[in-house]
Order: sequence, then C-alpha cells, then structure tokens
Amino acid sequence: DSGVTQTPKHLITATGQRVTLRCSPRSGDLSVYWYQQSLDQGLQFLIQYYNGEERAKGNILERFSAQQFPDLHSELNLSSLELGDSALYFCASSVMAGGLETQYFGPGTRLLVL
Amino acid sequence: DQQVKQNSPSLSVQEGRISILNCDYTNSMFDYFLWYKKYPAEGPTFLISISSIKDKNEDGRFTVFLNKSAKHLSLHIVPSQPGDSAVYFCAASALGNQGGKLIFGQGTELSVKP
Repeated sequence: DSGVTQTPKHLITATGQRVTLRCSPRSGDLSVYWYQQSLDQGLQFLIQYYNGEERAKGNILERFSAQQFPDLHSELNLSSLELGDSALYFCASSVMAGGLETQYFGPGTRLLVL
Repeated sequence: DQQVKQNSPSLSVQEGRISILNCDYTNSMFDYFLWYKKYPAEGPTFLISISSIKDKNEDGRFTVFLNKSAKHLSLHIVPSQPGDSAVYFCAASALGNQGGKLIFGQGTELSVKP
C-alpha cells in the first residue's frame, strides 16, 4: 500500500458525459501528479500540482482539468468524454529525499466510456 | 518521439536465475531514473532509483546500473522469484529544469517460471 488513495476504482459512463476522479496523497506530500495509461500510449504525464498551485502540464486535453484543494487532495475532471478517453488514470504523490523526488502511485481509476 | 524506450516487451526467466531488464533514453537532461513494478489492476510500485551522479545502486535482490555515455540503464534481479512476475517500467525525470514529471518506457513483462 503506497498510502495514495484514489476513488472510484472503476467508472463506466457514456460519451459526452463528465466525470470527476479523486486522489488523496500520502500524508505530508505536497505534490500530486496525474497520469493516463491507455493501451497504445503507455503511462503519460497529464498535470502536476504543488501545494494547491499548478506546477507542470503535459499533454492534457483542454476537455480535462484538475485542481488541488487546501487539504491537498486533488480532483481530475474529464468532460465531453470520448471513447478514446477510456484508460487507467493514476495519481501519484511525491517525497523529496537528498534532493531527489520519488513518486508513489495510487491504485488507479479505470474509466470506461461507452 | 519516445524519450525512454524499453525494447523488450517481454522476458522469461527461470526461478533462481538472473533477470536483466533494459532501458534506453535519448534526453541528456534526464538526471534521475526509477524502476517501477506493476501488477494488473494495481498502480505502479516504486522499486529502486538511481541519480545520474552514480553508476550503480543496490537494494537487496535489485540492482540498477546506469551507463550515461550510452544513455542506458538496466535492472538486475538476482535471484529471480515467481513473485517477481509483473510488468516493469523504467522512468526518467529531469529534476533540474522540468520539474518532477516522469517519462515512462512502454514496459517489459517479466515472467519467472518455477
């Protein structure tokens, strides 16, 4: 158990809908990262938040948005869903040690868009 | 353009023997490398990491070697155990100027046979 929690574990929805994925980082971790794992793309970085502020952005679609709240949990919002958005979505939180940052991943949310 | 490559999609090894998983990268700005292990329907689990100032890091049965001139790293598992059967991902980050986002390889599925 990494200490990172994600809900829900599974989500089935229809095209055009909107969903929210939730992530709680490990206690004390200020950074949250979101990744998408699809069959043909592997694990792809979407976005990073640090202590409530957006810090880095990857290939995140405009239909997707995220935020990090004062209690440090984060939500990833996916809207106008398309079939191709079906994937595993992971969040990770990180710890710094000796100047190096290691990310610990949650169990993921499996999204199926029908 | 894939910056981190794992050219072997799968590897099969006999229990007790050595497993060697390979990873190549192209971005010379990468300065921190990590290996993750992933079981189906679970999030990636951190295994071991190495900073670019080192060429070897060991943790129990796991050793990571880094050859900066060849832009190549490898993970050695000795002795291999059936419980090591999983997908192994190599990941890299450029902490200096790109934040902590991880760039992942496509993964190598390791099968350790009793």
